[in-house]
Amino acid sequence: SQQGEEDPQALSIQEGENATMNCSYKTSINNLQWYRQNSGRGLVHLILIRSNEREKHSGRLRVTLDTSKKSSSLLITASRAADTASYFCATEEQGAQKLVFGQGTRLTINP
Amino acid sequence: DTEVTQTPKHLVMGMTNKKSLKCEQHMGHRAMYWYKQKAKKPPELMFVYSYEKLSINESVPSRFSPECPNSSLLNLHLHALQPEDSALYLCASSPQSQTGYFYGYTFGSGTRLTVV
Repeated sequence: SQQGEEDPQALSIQEGENATMNCSYKTSINNLQWYRQNSGRGLVHLILIRSNEREKHSGRLRVTLDTSKKSSSLLITASRAADTASYFCATEEQGAQKLVFGQGTRLTINP
Repeated sequence: DTEVTQTPKHLVMGMTNKKSLKCEQHMGHRAMYWYKQKAKKPPELMFVYSYEKLSINESVPSRFSPECPNSSLLNLHLHALQPEDSALYLCASSPQSQTGYFYGYTFGSGTRLTVV
């Protein structure tokens, strides 16, 4: 079963602009993670935010988590053509060591 | 070694065939996972192994049979599959979660399976 929704489903922006993706989930979680997937191959772990954290940064990535609204956002600043990929949020539910993925956002960066 | 290696990368099999997918990691991770991903969809969890024991089976049909021979290897045995089982099969591993400390998962590049 899937955890929730990602918004938007697809996003197309110009290189250099910022990209924001949102994720909502349904259950209580231990942590929320973001992954990137290029062309239907393996997923690459980008960043993990724990349930007691509100914001986290890693390079050009900024993640926020609002557990009261059961939502998260991923901001990619100064986008590059190489950022073109699908981005998935995934939650690790309390009491269960498993990741449940959102529907994903397909991001296209136009040169 | 910080990778999860999956073989083969591509597999075409008939509905009466028996085949196996292999996954290997040497990071000392004690949790390993199989996910199935259809085109333009998110990965869906199939199985979780924790310390070489099956801990989660997400109601997967018995034509998929997982096996964890040791802490580094995870297999998925396939038998009498249907065309709708065609998908990308992803293996992942992670350290066991400790209270208050969590880790990202490391995914392999997947096996693209086509059932004809």
